[in-house]
Amino acid sequence: KAGVTQTPRYLIKTRGQQVTLSCSPISGHRSVSWYQQTPGQGLQFLFEYFSETQRNKGNFPGRFSGRQFSNSRSEMNVSTLELGDSALYLCASSLSGRSTGELFFGEGSRLTVL
Amino acid sequence: DQQVKQNSPSLSVQEGRISILNCDYTNSMFDYFLWYKKYPAEGPTFLISISSIKDKNEDGRFTVFLNKSAKHLSLHIVPSQPGDSAVYFCAAYSGAGSYQLTFGKGTKLSVIP
Repeated sequence: KAGVTQTPRYLIKTRGQQVTLSCSPISGHRSVSWYQQTPGQGLQFLFEYFSETQRNKGNFPGRFSGRQFSNSRSEMNVSTLELGDSALYLCASSLSGRSTGELFFGEGSRLTVL
Repeated sequence: DQQVKQNSPSLSVQEGRISILNCDYTNSMFDYFLWYKKYPAEGPTFLISISSIKDKNEDGRFTVFLNKSAKHLSLHIVPSQPGDSAVYFCAAYSGAGSYQLTFGKGTKLSVIP
């Protein structure tokens, strides 16, 4: 079956702009999580959605937001981009978020902020 | 404050030998631990997990050991193969109702043929 699909794969923005990243989970998966990966901090949890509801939010400023649609697809948005937002943004899906503990990750969206 | 620590950024091992990757944690609420493997330009893939009620879990060449009193877990790969060369992440969930994985910063394993 198809894996987790993230678009776009690569993008370049300038400071102050905003960006929207998209994630299509594995068919049947209702939980979608987002993580930010940077060389200095590793993978850090952004938020998790299940059935269009945010269940957990990580320690990121309000500039980072997300949502989930009725078909389980998810988007995350970063407004007023800063240089430090340059990172690989990873989306992961699972059936229910925790029952097996296993998350299936997409290949990520590489954001560069200039 | 880093709750999951992988103190070795890199590790080199000869093919056929054992690879041991270590992970320490500070949060006593962590109750489920996972290891993920990541190749360049790919997302992390699940490798093996262990519940806090166990001290060992085995899957083929991969074994994870958990020492709760020391707040330490390790991943053993035997025998190591060149295809195992990747970055390995230790991760943990903290209790029922938590949908947030806390990751270590990863250890880059290089298996030398």
